[in-house]
Amino acid sequence: DTGVSQDPRHKITKRGQNVTFRCDPISEHNRLYWYRQTLGQGPEFLTYFQNEAQLEKSRLLSDRFSAERPKGSFSTLEIQRTEQGDSAMYLCASRGPDRGPKNLHFGNGTRLTVT
Amino acid sequence: AQTVTQSQPEMSVQEAETVTLSCTYDTSESDYYLFWYKQPPSRQMILVIRQEAYKQQNATENRFSVNFQKAAKSFSLKISDSQLGDAAMYFCAYRSGFGNEKLTFGTGTRLTIIP
Repeated sequence: DTGVSQDPRHKITKRGQNVTFRCDPISEHNRLYWYRQTLGQGPEFLTYFQNEAQLEKSRLLSDRFSAERPKGSFSTLEIQRTEQGDSAMYLCASRGPDRGPKNLHFGNGTRLTVT
Repeated sequence: AQTVTQSQPEMSVQEAETVTLSCTYDTSESDYYLFWYKQPPSRQMILVIRQEAYKQQNATENRFSVNFQKAAKSFSLKISDSQLGDAAMYFCAYRSGFGNEKLTFGTGTRLTIIP
């Protein structure tokens, strides 16, 4: 169990640029989640995958945001035409089919700064 | 929509003492789960304790226990024998029991342990 891995840890980009983040869940976990956490706030749900299917999507996920999980393993979150308001920590989490209480694992996050 | 409120942005406690963090929530659902998550500085979020709404008995995990008051929609976390490693942001979170995978978080309480 190597944990949930997110890459990169930090990303600084200029407004208007596109960015892509990657999340590698724990290998046997079929469920994967993306959250966004701004300074001083709790994480906000963005989207959820079960295997390769995107089953839930928040209204926060505007048309500039897209998430994929093409083979049901790793996932990518892309933000197009970044805005300063996109500056946040983007957290990925995963869990397996067992709904056990300690089964949700979070990664360390990708911190995005839009200048 | 469900909301989670943490009214204490910051708390501090002497090492070895007991501290209680407050959380209230609003929902019209009868089946749901409540969680406390810990987020140490620059480290990943981990689950501290979980409570199923249908269970009357308060959950406990070693030094961590909750006071779940369903009618009052209150879910406080008690940390006994506080240790330096308990210093972190603590988030209260809610999840619907009806197949919804989304966690709704509060804004967090920063806990400082005084040696």
